[in-house]
This record gives sequence, structure tokens and C-alpha cells, in this order.
Amino acid sequence: EAQVTQNPRYLITVTGKKLTVTCSQNMNHEYMSWYRQDPGLGLRQIYYSMNVEVTDKGDVPEGYKVSRKEKRNFPLILESPSPNQTSLYFCASSLSLGLEQYFGPGTRLTVT
Amino acid sequence: KNEVEQSPQNLTAQEGEFITINCSYSVGISALHWLQQHPGGGIVSLFMLSSGKKKHGRLIATINIQEKHSSLHITASHPRDSAVYICAVQLSEGYYDKVIFGPGTSLSVIP
Repeated sequence: EAQVTQNPRYLITVTGKKLTVTCSQNMNHEYMSWYRQDPGLGLRQIYYSMNVEVTDKGDVPEGYKVSRKEKRNFPLILESPSPNQTSLYFCASSLSLGLEQYFGPGTRLTVT
Repeated sequence: KNEVEQSPQNLTAQEGEFITINCSYSVGISALHWLQQHPGGGIVSLFMLSSGKKKHGRLIATINIQEKHSSLHITASHPRDSAVYICAVQLSEGYYDKVIFGPGTSLSVIP
């Protein structure tokens, strides 16, 4: 089944404790992206990747890192999480730029 | 002023009604997406448009590039259509691979 998977789905952590949210797709998609969704602010793009080893900043990249060592995986790294990074995170992928995006199920992160 | 705006913000309709959700944008775009987010949180892509009109079942999406406006229509609405509908644009000026989202339209269809 074609899908985008994210892990974990729910995470409660404390300020400053490094964490990684994994994202994997099995559709051989080139374009992958991370978004966060907050009440009143909607969805905003954090980072995106056009292909392996090619990543770039979206609108809200501060406090996040990404890597794209393999085509299928695009992990989101929070080196020192803070409470303002409490949010619902979505990973998405598409075959290439401008085509339909497939979204993962979301990861609800709470930083205390 | 937000670069992508949607109207209405909230919409309540009776089952069977024809529904229109509007999206207007102020930036140059290469594509526009309509997304659906159900109460459980999952997001599904409904349409990707760069020109004209697309139809899938009871859903129709149109875009007018000159007027920088898109509409999503739902014919014969049903309670299962209750969701948040989000317009997203893929930029074409400089940062053509970035995506900007509208604030969403919350639709509730009452039996």
C-alpha cells in the first residue's frame, strides 16, 4: 500500500531533550516536506527536500534540522525542543514538485 | 495581509445543498492544491490545479489564474463531507518550491 508513515504518532517530552520524528514513504517520491499545524496559524512549511542530499528552508525552520540521505526517509530533528514547538507535525511527499502531495498521519508533539 | 485567503471561514449547510468555498491569493503560483482535513486530523489531497477545472465525483475545483482565485464546489453535500478544506499554493516567483497554506474553511453538513 502506497503510504507515508510517521513515528512516533504522539510524543510528550521535556525542554532541551533532543528528539527525532521519522518520516518514510514507499512511493519513490522525490519531493518531501515537513509542516507544522497550530491553532489560528494553520499549516506552515518547516523544511523541504527536492531530492536526496537537497534540502531547503520553508517559512519556519528555526529550531529544526532535517536530512535526506535516502530517497524514502526524511527525518525531522529537534536538537533542543522548546515549548513553542508544541504542535501537530505532518510529513508529505510527492512524485515531483507541483504534483499531488501525500500526507502522513501526523505527529502530535508536546514539549513541557 | 495574508498571501492566501479563504472564505468563508466557517460554513454550515443542510444535506443536499450546493457548497462553494473560495480561495484567493496575492502571489505568483505554479500550482494550487485543495486539501481536506477530517476531524481526526488526517489530510488528504483533493485536487492539484494549474489551470481550468477538475472534477472528481461530487467535487469540482476551478482556478482563474488572471484573477488569482480558485473555488471548490461540492454538489449534493453529505454529512461525511464535514471537514476543514484547505487551499495551498506552490509559489512560482523565486521560491517556486515553497508551499503556503490558507487558513482553512470549516464545513459542517447537517443531516
